[in-house]
Amino acid sequence: EPEVTQTPSHQVTQMGQEVILRCVPISNHLYFYWYRQILGQKVEFLVSFYNNEISEKSEIFDDQFSVERPDGSNFTLKIRSTKLEDSAMYFCASSVRTGSSGELFFGEGSRLTVL
Amino acid sequence: AQTVTQSQPEMSVQEAETVTLSCTYDTSESDYYLFWYKQPPSRQMILVIRQEAYKQQNATENRFSVNFQKAAKSFSLKISDSQLGDAAMYFCAYLKGATNKLIFGTGTLLAVQP
Repeated sequence: EPEVTQTPSHQVTQMGQEVILRCVPISNHLYFYWYRQILGQKVEFLVSFYNNEISEKSEIFDDQFSVERPDGSNFTLKIRSTKLEDSAMYFCASSVRTGSSGELFFGEGSRLTVL
Repeated sequence: AQTVTQSQPEMSVQEAETVTLSCTYDTSESDYYLFWYKQPPSRQMILVIRQEAYKQQNATENRFSVNFQKAAKSFSLKISDSQLGDAAMYFCAYLKGATNKLIFGTGTLLAVQP
């Protein structure tokens, strides 16, 4: 069964360092998303991406964050200068159609620890 | 702003019994969708069931069903004949129509006792 895969599963970084989290969405999906979950808190929407551009983003997704689909298969989330509060589980998701009519398939997440 | 509230941080059920997980939401929109997602220890969130707000009929997927009370803004999940594999964190989520932003509740951790 096709699935969304994420790498790395866990990354530890120093504050101020750049981090890139990678995701391989399901191959025929057109919509891509990043969500995050700070330990013990709710899952929060970060950004959605369609047709090579951001379609929607939350207030969390500031200038420190960027997304890219560099090669038609990977979907990346970059954090330019990590802060302690960026420590969280980051989930990638993809869907065939827009969220209301298309089921979102989630990856297993990438845990980011900022020291 | 839309919010989703799950008032039960943890629940427990005996195998083969029925359990109901609660969820309430707040919105002024008329076009929206509601979801229950399951997050097992493997961390991958899996869609359990989906409800369109314009549909009066409650959604059902095998042993999973919802009680959608639109006026009360309530969307509870009933799991019948609970199985050990149902043990997981369950998230209720809201999606405004024509958007891609899921709003999640804080989750309910369900334990299934053999």
